[in-house]
Amino acid sequence: NAGVTQTPKFQVLKTGQSMTLQCAQDMNHEYMSWYRQDPGMGLRLIHYSVGAGITDQGEVPNGYNVSRSTTEDFPLRLLSAAPSQTSVYFCASSYTGQQEAFFGQGTRLTVV
Amino acid sequence: AQSVTQLGSHVSVSEGALVLLRCNYSSSVPPYLFWYVQYPNQGLQLLLKYTSAATLVKGINGFEAEFKKSETSFHLTKPSAHMSDAAEYFCAVTSYNQGGKLIFGQGTELSVKP
Repeated sequence: NAGVTQTPKFQVLKTGQSMTLQCAQDMNHEYMSWYRQDPGMGLRLIHYSVGAGITDQGEVPNGYNVSRSTTEDFPLRLLSAAPSQTSVYFCASSYTGQQEAFFGQGTRLTVV
Repeated sequence: AQSVTQLGSHVSVSEGALVLLRCNYSSSVPPYLFWYVQYPNQGLQLLLKYTSAATLVKGINGFEAEFKKSETSFHLTKPSAHMSDAAEYFCAVTSYNQGGKLIFGQGTELSVKP
């Protein structure tokens, strides 16, 4: 049982490049979400999903896209990377909306 | 809208001293509240949660928190700090109508002095 797996762990992008951060969970959780962590700001919600085929925007969605074609996977796409997207990104999943979320180990992204 | 405020971005205690990390929340519906801990370069790990059962909640590593509706607070305590408790701590809130979205506080970094 791997839990929530994020890849890659580290990534450096040039401004304007695109990439996809991968997130997979093997706990059959319906709820999945993406957060970014910046110093002094806690974790801020980017996008979330309450099940396959259903996604919605969080607090800071601009510049990011998501899709949820399967229960297990919830990739986050950066369309055109900007230095302001330099951050640590966490994927999380939960069985229901009221139970605790399980987090991946994070992806540290630097945009130069 | 829900929100969380953690008072104090940095807290420093001596080993063996009481740990008190403050969390106040805002929610127009009954909240579910969580404390997470993050060790350097790692993900977040659940310490404890309040989901409308007992107001005094016990978690891992000797931590506990008390839900006080009248004060809209969910402060985290530990009677005796250990060096291994040094980490960043996050308080988070959600509710039945939030689709699993967690709203986090800004975090409190706990330092433990020998």
